[in-house]
Parts: sequence; C-alpha cells; structure tokens
Amino acid sequence: RKEVEQDPGPFNVPEGATVAFNCTYSNSASQSFFWYRQDCRKEPKLLMSVYSSGNEDGRFTAQLNRASQYISLLIRDSKLSDSATYLCVPGGVTGGGNKLTFGTGTQLKVEL
Amino acid sequence: NAGVTQTPKFRILKIGQSMTLQCTQDMNHNYMYWYRQDPGMGLKLIYYSVGAGITDKGEVPNGYNVSRSTTEDFPLRLELAAPSQTSVYFCASSSGQGWSTEAFFGQGTRLTVV
Repeated sequence: RKEVEQDPGPFNVPEGATVAFNCTYSNSASQSFFWYRQDCRKEPKLLMSVYSSGNEDGRFTAQLNRASQYISLLIRDSKLSDSATYLCVPGGVTGGGNKLTFGTGTQLKVEL
Repeated sequence: NAGVTQTPKFRILKIGQSMTLQCTQDMNHNYMYWYRQDPGMGLKLIYYSVGAGITDKGEVPNGYNVSRSTTEDFPLRLELAAPSQTSVYFCASSSGQGWSTEAFFGQGTRLTVV
C-alpha cells in the first residue's frame, strides 16, 4: 500500500458548489496531517493542519478518520480562485520526524 | 523574511553535464528536503536531512547526491545529467518538532536536460 494515496481528479465543479477530497495514509503512527495547495507551476503552500479529529477555517473543513486512516478536505461555496491542486501529507510521527511523503495531489477546477 | 531560497530558478543542461542546485533557509529548521515534480505529477522525495551531517535517501535518489554541512544549506548535486532528470526541483524545510512539521518551500528550480 502506498504511504499516501489521493484521487488525482480532475474534479470539475461549478462555482458555488461543495466538493470533497479524500486522502488515505498507511502509517497509523502519524499524529498530524496537512493539506497543501499548489497553484500551477508554483511551490506548495500550507492550507490547513489537522491534529485531532478535524479543523475548520472559513469555507474549508478538514476531517480525520483514524480508524479508517483517511483525511478529507471539504470546500464549500467554491470560488474560481480555489482552482488548484490539493496535496495531503501525514506528519509528526512519534520517534522523530518523518520523510514528509506527499500524495500525488487532487486537481480542482472551478468553472463559471 | 527570506524563508527558503533556491538558486538557480532556471537551468538548461546538456546530457552528461553536472550541476549543483542550491538551497538555503534562514529559519533554523533542522529538517530539509529535496523533491522533484514532473509535469502533471506529484512531488517525489529525492533526499532529506534531519540535521547537519545527516542525510538519507527518499523515494528517487538515483542520479543525485546531497550534503548537509550546515543547518542552513542543503545543496543537491546532479552528476552526469540525463533527460529523465528534466523536472522542477523543490527544496523545503521544516522544524520537525513533534506536531509541527509544516514544510516551507522554495520557489523551485526548473531544469531541462537536452
């Protein structure tokens, strides 16, 4: 099983729609999780961190399901500017650091 | 705030040439990483380091070498460049302290091998 798996998409949604992505991870020792956003030909930037069951920031909600080993990202009221690739990465493994293995990313295209 | 700085931003190499991609960070982070990203693909880890003097292989280390003589710098060396190494290379750093492993990225180096 891959360390991190994501549906590559693309997810094409109309402006204003709600969209959700899942990310599964294999290392049950991971303690924290991160969603990054990457715009075309740019470096990834942190979108959200998840340390417990979930986190919410405006239109963005991240949820963690430790039993099934997946994290999800929900985007409500999608904007054109949300079009990007969303990368997940598990982090904070007990015992000291980790390799920060990113998922392949899920591409989102928000359309008029 | 400089953060993570990569040089050069663009480079064209001929097959068989060598070069060093420079990466420096000013956040006193222990952890540093090198990734490559091929068009339309995800980030693949090449090498990483958990502190000065310590490096380890990632997913795709073949054809690359690294060193970490200081906390700030983590250069990536390409020996005998091949067309398969055409990619965008990102350097990143993080504090690696327990929960907080947010990674900060440089702007990338776009390398073409012809």
